[in-house]
Amino acid sequence: GAVVSQHPSWVICKSGTSVKIECRSLDFQATTMFWYRQFPKQSLMLMATSNEGSKATYEQGVEKDKFLINHASLTLSTLTVTSAHPEDSSFYICSARDRDRSSYNSPLHFGNGTRLTVT
Amino acid sequence: AQTVTQSQPEMSVQEAETVTLSCTYDTSENNYYLFWYKQPPSRQMILVIRQEAYKQQNATENRFSVNFQKAAKSFSLKISDSQLGDTAMYFCAFLPTGNQFYFGTGTSLTVIP
Repeated sequence: GAVVSQHPSWVICKSGTSVKIECRSLDFQATTMFWYRQFPKQSLMLMATSNEGSKATYEQGVEKDKFLINHASLTLSTLTVTSAHPEDSSFYICSARDRDRSSYNSPLHFGNGTRLTVT
Repeated sequence: AQTVTQSQPEMSVQEAETVTLSCTYDTSENNYYLFWYKQPPSRQMILVIRQEAYKQQNATENRFSVNFQKAAKSFSLKISDSQLGDTAMYFCAFLPTGNQFYFGTGTSLTVIP
């Protein structure tokens, strides 16, 4: 149980275009999803917290107009990298917690990640 | 501020041997949870083990166990009978009150055949 599906797993796009990454909780509902960015051999950097039915909360230094987050339902959150540039190339990971098992210690369940390369 | 420190960027262990990964954290909170996640070359994050701060007993999951020292704010992971499949990045994570997890910088573990 507790599967998070992230799509696509890798994408190559041209500079100036936009890319959408989907994150779905397959067998649980998630009122909150998290988007991370990870550089090679580094830790996960929280970009934003996606809240179902409301605006996302962005971490300091993350451009909300560049990284658009939409959490339209309890099982789907999307991250759109707008007007992508080579410096946006990275590994993006989404995660979620089970709403119905939202006891204090419920862990994060992670998607498989998306490797974005902007040429 | 909540911080998580993993002081060992890289470690290696011989297959079948035991290895301990260290993690310390800084917090003023009394109730919180701690986790160890594994990220193999596939980059999928996998939960290894979790510990509740109010529990004195150290958590154990098969070959994985923790040494939780609340006063010292230390949360080390011991892997017994290391296997080749244990080769991965290991991240310590801290969950205080609220929803945000804090991750350490990771330890890259290599199991040598």
